[in-house]
Amino acid sequence: DAGITQSPRHKVTETGTPVTLRCHQTENHRYMYWYRQDPGHGLRLIHYSYGVKDTDKGEVSDGYSVSRSKTEDFLLTLESATSSQTSVYFCATGVATAYEQYFGPGTRLTVT
Amino acid sequence: AQKVTQAQTEISVVEKEDVTLDCVYETRDTTYYLFWYKQPPSGELVFLIRRNSFDEQNEISGRYSWNFQKSTSSFNFTITASQVVDSAVYFCALRHDTRLTQGGSEKLVFGKGTKLTVNP
Repeated sequence: DAGITQSPRHKVTETGTPVTLRCHQTENHRYMYWYRQDPGHGLRLIHYSYGVKDTDKGEVSDGYSVSRSKTEDFLLTLESATSSQTSVYFCATGVATAYEQYFGPGTRLTVT
Repeated sequence: AQKVTQAQTEISVVEKEDVTLDCVYETRDTTYYLFWYKQPPSGELVFLIRRNSFDEQNEISGRYSWNFQKSTSSFNFTITASQVVDSAVYFCALRHDTRLTQGGSEKLVFGKGTKLTVNP
């Protein structure tokens, strides 16, 4: 258990509004990841970070941005939420890329 | 392209039966890592095992065992004497490193999961 928390755990928002999801870890892991999980698609990587202020895109990054100003926090922002971004979002952390990732509890986001 | 296929979408068994979850992967990397995760109905993702491409030894952990075969690009997961608590969605994942070939990112590629239901 990597001590990962996500906030909020549930959110309902309207189309066009900005949304920020927060991931906080207490394990000092270098790598942090944001995934979304959708029926029929499994988990897909949105963005990841390999250090403070170092981030890169995943396979479904359009419409999302991230920031990492501290080792322990990784923020995911939807600048203008759309209904297609309704999903369950998971944060994960890892010691190194070759090793397993530990996942947070998830955030269920509904965009109406 | 890197890809993970879990052909079994759903499996239903009766308690105490053995069950095998299939995972077939595709990769051009010579070094890669395979993982299994469990997602119970509560929703969290739990890490089960990691295997690197140089280690083809099978692994056993209690009622769980994993069979890694590079010749068939498979990394199958068997639960012996299944229990109701094993009911979950199980994901197989492949980590590849595209930095050398594509000069950029790397990712953990997940299969779409197999939903296992163990009935009492």
